Amino acid sequence: GAGVSQSPSNKVTEKGKDVELRCDPISGHTALYWYRQSLGQGLEFLIYFQGNSAPDKSGLPSDRFSAERTGGSVSTLTIQRTQQEDSAVYLCASSQGQGAYEQYFGPGTRLTVT
Amino acid sequence: GESVGLHLPTLSVQEGDNSIINCAYSNSASDYFIWYKQESGKGPQFIIDIRSNMDKRQGQRVTVLLNKTVKHLSLQIAATQPGDSAVYFCAENGGATNKLIFGTGTLLAVQP
Repeated sequence: GAGVSQSPSNKVTEKGKDVELRCDPISGHTALYWYRQSLGQGLEFLIYFQGNSAPDKSGLPSDRFSAERTGGSVSTLTIQRTQQEDSAVYLCASSQGQGAYEQYFGPGTRLTVT
Repeated sequence: GESVGLHLPTLSVQEGDNSIINCAYSNSASDYFIWYKQESGKGPQFIIDIRSNMDKRQGQRVTVLLNKTVKHLSLQIAATQPGDSAVYFCAENGGATNKLIFGTGTLLAVQP
């Protein structure tokens, strides 16, 4: 079956521009996560959606970062007024939801801010 | 605060040898642990998981050991192959939460 997909796979943008990153989770998965991974580093949690509950935004680094999940499926991570330190790979993952911890990851979007 | 860390950031082994990757966790409330493998340019891929009511679980060529007394987790890979070369992450659930807390990763380099 289809796994988690993300688009675009690569994004180069100029400092100060806004970017949108998309995630399509596995069908039927109620939980969706966004992470950021800088070069050679671990995974930094950004935001978590579970069903219709309010998202857990505790990992967002600044108010320039936001995410939404429409219809309980597709999610978009938006970074406004991008900075060079935003350059990283942005990973999306989904899981079956409450009590199911195993997360399935997408291939990531590599964001480069010039 | 909560943290999951790895003892060895880089591990180099000979092809055919067994590999052991270690991980320490700090949250006593964690009752679920998982290992992921991440190859260059790809997202993390599930390897094996274990719940706190177990101390050992085996998969194909991999074994996860959990020592709750000292809050230690390890991943053993038997007969390591070049295709095992990757970064390995451990993660814990921090208790009653659906979020995973990831360690910083260990790079496993398999020498032919």
